Amino acid sequence: SQQGEEDPQALSIQEGENATMNCSYKTSINNLQWYRQNSGRGLVHLILIRSNEREKHSGRLRVTLDTSKKSSSLLITASRAADTASYFCATDKEKLTFGTGTRLTIIP
Amino acid sequence: EPEVTQTPSHQVTQMGQEVILRCVPISNHLYFYWYRQILGQKVEFLVSFYNNEISEKSEIFDDQFSVERPDGSNFTLKIRSTKLEDSAMYFCASTRPINYGYTFGSGTRLTVV
Repeated sequence: SQQGEEDPQALSIQEGENATMNCSYKTSINNLQWYRQNSGRGLVHLILIRSNEREKHSGRLRVTLDTSKKSSSLLITASRAADTASYFCATDKEKLTFGTGTRLTIIP
Repeated sequence: EPEVTQTPSHQVTQMGQEVILRCVPISNHLYFYWYRQILGQKVEFLVSFYNNEISEKSEIFDDQFSVERPDGSNFTLKIRSTKLEDSAMYFCASTRPINYGYTFGSGTRLTVV
């Protein structure tokens, strides 16, 4: 399966610091997407990077994709308390396949 | 901004009963999905639906599950005879063709007792 596996499983940082989450996957993809999930809530689409792209920015988010290593990273700069959530990568090849997620806690 | 709407938000049902989870996808989206998330676990694909038929289903989506798009707007997931292990959050999602983000609903929390 083309599962995304996130690393680390949990991350706690001080407000204002940058948070980096990594994702690895196994098979070919059309694109890779990152989602946020607040506790007990739905999944919110953050950013999509196509398989022929290497880096993408959206506000405080920066995503990289290395298809040769089958890996991606999500960087959140200048973190805020409101960024506390679980973050999932998901590979898209006719359907989304989610990774295990990183639980991010921002300490005020 | 357009939303995917799911009802009910929470349903409690007795084991063996039938449940229908309802979703209204975004109107100009063409692909529809159901996912589930057991508490504390990863989000799992159940089924995808395009052009009024199932395009792919997972091993989880056995004969107890079915999907319908009865009237061109609603998209339903039926579980015929619920089991305790069906307790989970069920998410509906929709998207346009390739290379667009998926829009997820807020989910239905199904509790089977």
